[in-house]
Amino acid sequence: EAGVTQSPTHLIKTRGQQATLRCSPISGHTSVYWYQQALGLGLQFLLWYDEGEERNRGNFPPRFSGRQFPNYSSELNVNALELEDSALYLCASSLLRGQETQYFGPGTRLLVL
Amino acid sequence: SQQGEEDPQALSIQEGENATMNCSYKTSINNLQWYRQNSGRGLVHLILIRSNEREKHSGRLRVTLDTSKKSSSLLITASRAADTASYFCATASVSGYSTLTFGKGTMLLVSP
Repeated sequence: EAGVTQSPTHLIKTRGQQATLRCSPISGHTSVYWYQQALGLGLQFLLWYDEGEERNRGNFPPRFSGRQFPNYSSELNVNALELEDSALYLCASSLLRGQETQYFGPGTRLLVL
Repeated sequence: SQQGEEDPQALSIQEGENATMNCSYKTSINNLQWYRQNSGRGLVHLILIRSNEREKHSGRLRVTLDTSKKSSSLLITASRAADTASYFCATASVSGYSTLTFGKGTMLLVSP
């Protein structure tokens, strides 16, 4: 069974640009979660999608947005990039919504110059 | 703010020794989970303990949960160099339509 996949693995952008990160969950998983892991700050919850709907959102500005497609894959968009957006962005999926075991992808490392 | 707080922030031991990491949290939970992250990679789920459980084992891992003290511990017995990683606890709160909240992690270094 294929795990959670994320693309691209690395992304370099300049300040003010937009970044799009993609995630494919494990087959059969309907919930997708996005986290930001900046250096020394642990995992910060960004967004949770389930059955195509945004279910919960972390304490991030509106320029962080996303969506979930009918096949349950998901996209995270970050507009007007700032230097502090440089981080590892992790996607996870789960079979049951919200509070059960999450399976993580390898992450996309975003560098904003 | 983070729900779970791991302690210590970093731990350095020799192969064969036991490693104990602690996690404290603030609100009532449905379950608590431990994850491992090898350097710069995705997290791997280790074990889940529910609020009505006190202890759980999985191979060389032993997790305890004390809901009265709002704390959990992860014990790795007979550590190996391959156990070198960061370990995170994650809590599932009883309140609201919520997901997991992760702590900042304990960095474990196991030297051969």
